[in-house]
Amino acid sequence: EAQVTQNPRYLITVTGKKLTVTCSQNMNHEYMSWYRQDPGLGLRQIYYSMNVEVTDKGDVPEGYKVSRKEKRNFPLILESPSPNQTSLYFCASSLLGPVDGYTFGSGTRLTVV
Amino acid sequence: GIQVEQSPPDLILQEGANSTLRCNFSDSVNNLQWFHQNPWGQLINLFYIPSGTKQNGRLSATTVATERYSLLYISSSQTTDSGVYFCAGLYGGATNKLIFGTGTLLAVQP
Repeated sequence: EAQVTQNPRYLITVTGKKLTVTCSQNMNHEYMSWYRQDPGLGLRQIYYSMNVEVTDKGDVPEGYKVSRKEKRNFPLILESPSPNQTSLYFCASSLLGPVDGYTFGSGTRLTVV
Repeated sequence: GIQVEQSPPDLILQEGANSTLRCNFSDSVNNLQWFHQNPWGQLINLFYIPSGTKQNGRLSATTVATERYSLLYISSSQTTDSGVYFCAGLYGGATNKLIFGTGTLLAVQP
């Protein structure tokens, strides 16, 4: 089944403890992206990647890192999480980028205390 | 500025009713997509519809790019249609940015 897989689905962590949210797609898509969703602010792009080893900042990149060593994987790294990074996170992929239809992962609900 | 506006913001339907959701977008936005976020938070792509009309079961969508709007039709609504519907479009000259509307919250009552 074609899908984007995110893990974990839920995570509660403490301030400053490094964490990684994984994202993997099995559709051979070139483009992958991370979004966060917050009440009243909608979906905002954190980082995106047009291809392997090509990543760039979205609208709200501060406090996040990403890597794209393989086409299928696009992990989101929070080196020192803070409470303002409590949010619902989505990974998305598409074959050609925003000019093509997006497939989203199931989301990761992160709480930083 | 860049704008993707959705109406209505909230909608309550009785099961079996039909509805139309609207997405207006500014002249710097194109390549419309529609998504459904279910009550469990999952985002599902419904349509990629830069122009014209597409149908998928009880759902259909029409985009009139020249007039900067898109419509999502839900016929014979079911409780499983509840959730938030988002439209999103590609921002102008930037090929990397998908701009999301603020969403329509739909509740279908049995």
